Amino acid sequence: GQQVMQIPQYQHVQEGEDFTTYCNSSTTLSNIQWYKQRPGGHPVFLIQLVKSGEVKKQKRLTFQFGEAKKNSSLHITATQTTDVGTYFCAGPGDGGSQGNLIFGKGTKLSVKP
Amino acid sequence: NAGVTQTPKFQVLKTGQSMTLQCAQDMNHEYMSWYRQDPGMGLRLIHYSVGAGITDQGEVPNGYNVSRSTTEDFPLRLLSAAPSQTSVYFCASSYSTGGKSPLHFGNGTRLTVT
Repeated sequence: GQQVMQIPQYQHVQEGEDFTTYCNSSTTLSNIQWYKQRPGGHPVFLIQLVKSGEVKKQKRLTFQFGEAKKNSSLHITATQTTDVGTYFCAGPGDGGSQGNLIFGKGTKLSVKP
Repeated sequence: NAGVTQTPKFQVLKTGQSMTLQCAQDMNHEYMSWYRQDPGMGLRLIHYSVGAGITDQGEVPNGYNVSRSTTEDFPLRLLSAAPSQTSVYFCASSYSTGGKSPLHFGNGTRLTVT
């Protein structure tokens, strides 16, 4: 079945270093969404990308959607301790799943002050 | 602005017991869903609903039932709890179906089955 894969599973960085997580789908996606989950919290929507090659920025966060609409990345510049959490990508499933969002397993980011 | 409200926040059950996890949203969203989150497994879809009176199975539906009698409420029932159902459960809703719009998550229910 359709899969959404994320790497790395874990990332430990020193505060001030950059961080990137990558998301790959086994099928072409109509859109991709990114969520952040703080420790002990619930996933919170960050952004949605729809167009091939799209790049969006939110302060220190840069999101990209691949040209083939099968991969995406989230890059954080100069990490801060407030960036700690797990970052998930999610894309609509294929026809058989009625478009329900399929989540990657997430990348857990820890930031050492 | 309550958003998505889940109750209870924590629950401990014994094997074989049944219970209902409550979920309500006040955003008039048609789509509602239940996910479970286990370490290293990400979020897996249990059941979902595209509107009142309509429910369907997700990736991991066994051992769970749902109903959607109103737009606002989408309870999840555990029929006979098993240790394998120990997990964190999230209810989520969205404006449209088909993964076209963002999901709004509740705060979660942490369930332990002994």
